Amino acid sequence: DQQVKQNSPSLSVQEGRISILNCDYTNSMFDYFLWYKKYPAEGPTFLISISSIKDKNEDGRFTVFLNKSAKHLSLHIVPSQPGDSAVYFCAASARTSNAGKSTFGDGTTLTVKP
Amino acid sequence: NAGVTQTPKFRILKIGQSMTLQCAQDMNHNYMYWYRQDPGMGLKLIYYSVGAGITDKGEVPNGYNVSRSTTEDFPLRLELAAPSQTSVYFCASSDRTSFLYFGPGTRLTVL
Repeated sequence: DQQVKQNSPSLSVQEGRISILNCDYTNSMFDYFLWYKKYPAEGPTFLISISSIKDKNEDGRFTVFLNKSAKHLSLHIVPSQPGDSAVYFCAASARTSNAGKSTFGDGTTLTVKP
Repeated sequence: NAGVTQTPKFRILKIGQSMTLQCAQDMNHNYMYWYRQDPGMGLKLIYYSVGAGITDKGEVPNGYNVSRSTTEDFPLRLELAAPSQTSVYFCASSDRTSFLYFGPGTRLTVL
């Protein structure tokens, strides 16, 4: 039973447009949600996070939205740039115990076309 | 700061061989983790440590062992390698309430 799901394995958008990556979770104990970005042959790097006490967190071109009732979060990238092409992983954890002990989705490969 | 470093970058093992994947961090983080990523899949937690001398199992610990004798180092031991252990292994560190800092990964193939 996968507790964190990213239902879209891939997404392709045009440069300058919005990219929306989605993630669903099932475990009500999760209270901290993170997005990581991964380039080929590199380790994932942290992108943005959101605590369950918020419904939105913004950092430059990146915004994460959390809908607790639907157990759904999304990452918006505006405007999208070719350098954003990477695999994006959604992750969830119980921050009060150990934020690093995260459960990951399978990832969405984003391709931004010039 | 070098962050999280891992050696080796690549390794090919024969079935039944053993090896140790090395991981070190210089950020003075108490928490360290080992994740594996199979093709097209997300990262799965193998083992983690909340401080020197303390380790615990993650989601997929079978076939692996860890030790944590110092804050900086967290080696992962594979005993009796099997083809199912072919994967990319990522070491990571964090403080308790923060995100993960990942190393560059070790790509392991078991033939």
